[in-house]
Amino acid sequence: QKEVEQDPGPLSVPEGAIVSLNCTYSNSAFQYFMWYRQYSRKGPELLMYTYSSGNKEDGRFTAQVDKSSKYISLFIRDSQPSDSATYLCAMSDFGNEKLTFGTGTRLTIIP
Amino acid sequence: EAGVAQSPRYKIIEKRQSVAFWCNPISGHATLYWYQQILGQGPKLLIQFQNNGVVDDSQLPKDRFSAERLKGVDSTLKIQPAKLEDSAVYLCASSLVGPPRQFFGPGTRLTVL
Repeated sequence: QKEVEQDPGPLSVPEGAIVSLNCTYSNSAFQYFMWYRQYSRKGPELLMYTYSSGNKEDGRFTAQVDKSSKYISLFIRDSQPSDSATYLCAMSDFGNEKLTFGTGTRLTIIP
Repeated sequence: EAGVAQSPRYKIIEKRQSVAFWCNPISGHATLYWYQQILGQGPKLLIQFQNNGVVDDSQLPKDRFSAERLKGVDSTLKIQPAKLEDSAVYLCASSLVGPPRQFFGPGTRLTVL
């Protein structure tokens, strides 16, 4: 079993829809949770960063962490064609800078 | 603020040849990482440096891969000899010491024929 599981998609939604992206994990020591966005032929770009459980909102993006279920989510409201990319979840435990990534979900927003 | 720089962006070599990649991290970032990202997968850590020293190289195939970080700034990753399965994007990232917010470069896409 992989430490971090993420549905690779692809996921296609119409412009303006709410997108939900998810990851599950098995390592209960994970404390830091991140979402990266990766455009084709580019490096990953840090999108959201949360510590422990709870929600964090930044513009159209909301990250949720449920440590009791070992489940994290990223919601994108009012999705735009420019949101079309691969979204990678990543996590690490306290005091450890090493990140464990999911496989990434490929998202396409259809105009 | 300048981001993480990597070169070359693309490289095509034949198996058994050698290749080297270069990374210049964000100024002031003490920690530098090299990742391998195979098509359709998330990045996998190869090696982590803090300043000049190696923190984690447990997943680096040491029989063929080597990396160094001179003077705690730039870093090079070398593969010798390359195998077909080394075809991937090699990403460099850097961060400040502390919470793991890593910033990535554009990557080097390696194709081994």
